[in-house]
Amino acid sequence: RKEVEQDPGPFNVPEGATVAFNCTYSNSASQSFFWYRQDCRKEPKLLMSVYSSGNEDGRFTAQLNRASQYISLLIRDSKLSDSATYLCVVNKRRDEYGNKLVFGAGTILRVKS
Amino acid sequence: DVKVTQSSRYLVKRTGEKVFLECVQDMDHENMFWYRQDPGLGLRLIYFSYDVKMKEKGDIPEGYSVSREKKERFSLILESASTNQTSMYLCASSLGAGLAGYEQYFGPGTRLTVT
Repeated sequence: RKEVEQDPGPFNVPEGATVAFNCTYSNSASQSFFWYRQDCRKEPKLLMSVYSSGNEDGRFTAQLNRASQYISLLIRDSKLSDSATYLCVVNKRRDEYGNKLVFGAGTILRVKS
Repeated sequence: DVKVTQSSRYLVKRTGEKVFLECVQDMDHENMFWYRQDPGLGLRLIYFSYDVKMKEKGDIPEGYSVSREKKERFSLILESASTNQTSMYLCASSLGAGLAGYEQYFGPGTRLTVT
């Protein structure tokens, strides 16, 4: 079983739509959670961290369900520029020697006009 | 802005060659990482360094080695390239321990083809 699992998509949505992605993780000891965004042929970049209480950044809302070990990302009012691959990311372990992350394989979003 | 640079965007090597991939970051980050990214598998950690001359194996270290002689530079070495090492290689860096250290900054990647 993969440590972080995501639906690969693609999710094809019209502009203005609301779209949600889920991700599950297997390590119950994980403490930190993130969504990264990767544009086509580009490097991944941090989109947002995911906090226990849920958090919002403009049109983006991230939520965490520790009991079920899943993380979600909701995008409202989709824009063409939101087209990208969204990577669900979980920390591998917390220790003094830096912070290792486990990346999901990503969910492809295509927003069409 | 954090900048992570990688020595090549595209590289073509022959089976059995020794390959060096270089990564440099300019933000004095303690941690540096090498990943490979393959379709359907996502990013997989090859090696990780949390300080100069310190390294730790990631999930798929076989066939690779690393070198970190200076804080800003982290090199990935393919001792004898094989066709199954054809992939996109991404270098990343992050601050030290603590929550801020989880944000990793990536270089543009090196697409390596081994023929």
